[in-house]
Amino acid sequence: DQQVKQNSPSLSVQEGRISILNCDYTNSMFDYFLWYKKYPAEGPTFLISISSIKDKNEDGRFTVFLNKSAKHLSLHIVPSQPGDSAVYFCAASAGGSNYKLTFGKGTLLTVNP
Amino acid sequence: NAGVTQTPKFRVLKTGQSMTLLCAQDMNHEYMYWYRQDPGMGLRLIHYSVGEGTTAKGEVPDGYNVSRLKKQNFLLGLESAAPSQTSVYFCASSYSHSGSIDEQFFGPGTRLTVL
Repeated sequence: DQQVKQNSPSLSVQEGRISILNCDYTNSMFDYFLWYKKYPAEGPTFLISISSIKDKNEDGRFTVFLNKSAKHLSLHIVPSQPGDSAVYFCAASAGGSNYKLTFGKGTLLTVNP
Repeated sequence: NAGVTQTPKFRVLKTGQSMTLLCAQDMNHEYMYWYRQDPGMGLRLIHYSVGEGTTAKGEVPDGYNVSRLKKQNFLLGLESAAPSQTSVYFCASSYSHSGSIDEQFFGPGTRLTVL
């Protein structure tokens, strides 16, 4: 049973436009969410996170939105740049076992010049 | 700082062979993790450690063993490799402090093929 779902395997956008990556979760115990970015042949790198007590967190061009009632979060990248082309993983953690992350399958973002 | 390093980067094994993957971190992190990534499967937690001398099972622990004899090192062992263990293995580490979650820092990965 997949607890963190990224239903879009891939997304293609034009440079300068907005990229929206979506993530759904089923475990109501999850209270902390992270986005990781991964380039080919490299390890994932942390991008941005959000606690369940917030509904939005912003860091430069990256904003994560959390809708707890819908068990849905999204990552917005504005404006998108070719260097943003990578696989993006959504991950979630549940309070007491806060050191364990459950990852989604990832979404491949391609930003076209 | 080197961050998280993994040795080796690539390895090809025959079915039944054994090997050990080494992970080292120089950030003085308490927590360390081993994941595997398979096509279309995301990252799945194999084993993890919350401190020197401790280990625990993750989501997919069968066929693997781990040891954390030193705080900075976390070893992943395959006693008898199987083709189903062909994967890319990532090690990660994170700091720990009460009341907050820190992001995990990942190594570059080890690509393992079992023939």
